[in-house]
Formats: sequence, C-alpha cells, structure tokens
Amino acid sequence: AQTVTQSQPEMSVQEAETVTLSCTYDTSESDYYLFWYKQPPSRQMILVIRQEAYKQQNATENRFSVNFQKAAKSFSLKISDSQLGDAAMYFCAYRRDFGNEKLTFGTGTRLTIIP
Amino acid sequence: GAVVSQHPSWVICKSGTSVKIECRSLDFQATTMFWYRQFPKQSLMLMATSNEGSKATYEQGVEKDKFLINHASLTLSTLTVTSAHPEDSSFYICSASHRAQGGSPLHFGNGTRLTVT
Repeated sequence: AQTVTQSQPEMSVQEAETVTLSCTYDTSESDYYLFWYKQPPSRQMILVIRQEAYKQQNATENRFSVNFQKAAKSFSLKISDSQLGDAAMYFCAYRRDFGNEKLTFGTGTRLTIIP
Repeated sequence: GAVVSQHPSWVICKSGTSVKIECRSLDFQATTMFWYRQFPKQSLMLMATSNEGSKATYEQGVEKDKFLINHASLTLSTLTVTSAHPEDSSFYICSASHRAQGGSPLHFGNGTRLTVT
C-alpha cells in the first residue's frame, strides 16, 4: 500500500521569506503523480502544484516549486516570497497512474506566516 | 472549469436520524467520485469510492450500511449517514476527476460539516 509522510506538523515563516515543506512517500509503482494541496481555514481543498513521476524536471507554479527526488521518494514544496494568504494546512498527496484512482494524503503541515 | 458542488455546507441533526449529502460535478461528467472524512486538525481519510451505476467500494473499517453511497448519474453522488450518532460528527468532503487519468487532479467540493446532537 502507498503511504505518504509529512514529518513537519507545523512550520512558520516570516512574510516575504522562503519556506520548504517536506514530504516522503512509499510506493512500488513506477508511474504515479504527486500533488500538493492547500487547505485554508475555509477548508476548501485547493490544488497548488502537480508533478508527474516520469518527468525529471521539477514542477513550478509562480511562487511554488517542488524538489522531486524519485529515487529518494521525496517531494518537497518550496514557497518563495511567502504571503499572508499562504497560511493554511498543506497536504502532500499521491495518486497512482491507473485509471481513476484515489488520492492518498499525508498528515499535513500547518503553515503560519509571521507578518 | 472542473467545479464540484457539495450540499449542504453544514447540517445539524439529532441522534438516530439520517442525513443526505450531495456531491455534483457541475461542468463535467464524473464516472468516479470519492468521499473523504476529516476530523479536526487531521488529514483526509478516504471512506469510499463511488462508481456510477455500480456499488461503491468502501475502505476497510467503514460501515457500508451506515454510510450509504449512491451514484445514480454521471454528475451526482450522494452520501447518506444513517442512524447518525454523535461520533459521526465530522467534516465530509467529496471529490471527482473529469478524466480517468491518474494525472488529472481531483477537484473537491467545499465540504459538509455534520454535527449530530
């Protein structure tokens, strides 16, 4: 079974600074996708970024980028120029590349932005 | 695009009653929808996978007779919590993908906060 681990229950960062959230996963599959979702206090799940396992290039979306290390099964999220609106729970998620598969989530990291 | 609507956003019910939660894909067809449950300050735990026109697949430990799932059309799945008890109080979220591809991200409803008194 696939598992996703987020070892940082809480993180904080000064506004405008950079922070990195960690995520590791375990799978025997070679084809899969990884995601970072953000859940603000409204509890709406918002997709932040997506990474295809077959791609070596790290995904980037504006201030958000990932460091994907397939061999190490590591998938960290870097947030640059942190903004107050980035404060939220961040969940790392895994999805097998096979039809319409479920998402398996990590335990989450609560990110606080310090003004 | 890819909007998922969930209703109601919150509901309070008495012990022993049943509550139905609806999940609709507004601008795409979803052959598969997923129902998650989230306790305070915890992650999302998959309860069941809802397949259009067939029986839902429940995760281990989830009572299928208590959490009834119906996926009667390509745009609607419902979760009914039967004979609700206070321990069923939680946040329930549905999700769907508009393509049967692993790379397609799941789009989530806004969730339903259920309180059983």
